[in-house]
Amino acid sequence: DIQMTQSPSTLSTSVGDRVTITCRASQSISNWLAWYQQKPGKAPKLLIYEASSLKSGVPSRFSGSGSGTEFTLTISSLQPDDFATYFCQQYDSYPYTFGQGTKLEIK
Amino acid sequence: QVQLQESGPGLVKPSETLSLTCTVSGGSITSYYWSWIRQPPGKGLEWIGYLYYSGSTHYNPSLKSRVIISMDMSKNQFSLKLSSVTAADTAVYYCARDTHCSDGSCYPPLGFDPWGQGTLVTVSS
Repeated sequence: DIQMTQSPSTLSTSVGDRVTITCRASQSISNWLAWYQQKPGKAPKLLIYEASSLKSGVPSRFSGSGSGTEFTLTISSLQPDDFATYFCQQYDSYPYTFGQGTKLEIK
Repeated sequence: QVQLQESGPGLVKPSETLSLTCTVSGGSITSYYWSWIRQPPGKGLEWIGYLYYSGSTHYNPSLKSRVIISMDMSKNQFSLKLSSVTAADTAVYYCARDTHCSDGSCYPPLGFDPWGQGTLVTVSS
């Protein structure tokens, strides 16, 4: 299985901050990576696919980059609605696997 | 707009079979792969497997011996059965839309979208 490792696990941040979350794959996955946002008690929501393609309707403050084994999700200016947990997921090969999540907390 | 809704018992006894159904509304079930994903309380996400209407399936090897995913096209539903459950199978179970296919060809996956709202299944006697 391809292991996905996110860092940090928790990030204390403030509204307006620029936030970067990293996701590393245990082997190359080209650009077959998605990012999701999950709020407590809710299902994950797709933000980005193919590492850097923004899903329609997702605010442009979200962006993704990377290829191969290292990827980043950046939120350019954190908004109150963005405090949530973020997961990366590889879909290069089965079984599909997720990172363990990064929780954004209010500082 | 496609919507997914999970349904099924919220409590299952150890050693029994967990059975859930996902109802797809607003779109055809024959044009996509459909996946099940679970999340133990307070933990991360685990992909369980997918099904395509042709009968093609792929399961996570960690669960393969216990999982069956099936489809009822007449009801626009697909289902999950997980046998011989233990407390470790306690989780929120989600259904989600996966890869798009058309005329026998499938497009590159774009991630899971949308997801159902999830249903908590507790394994306990």
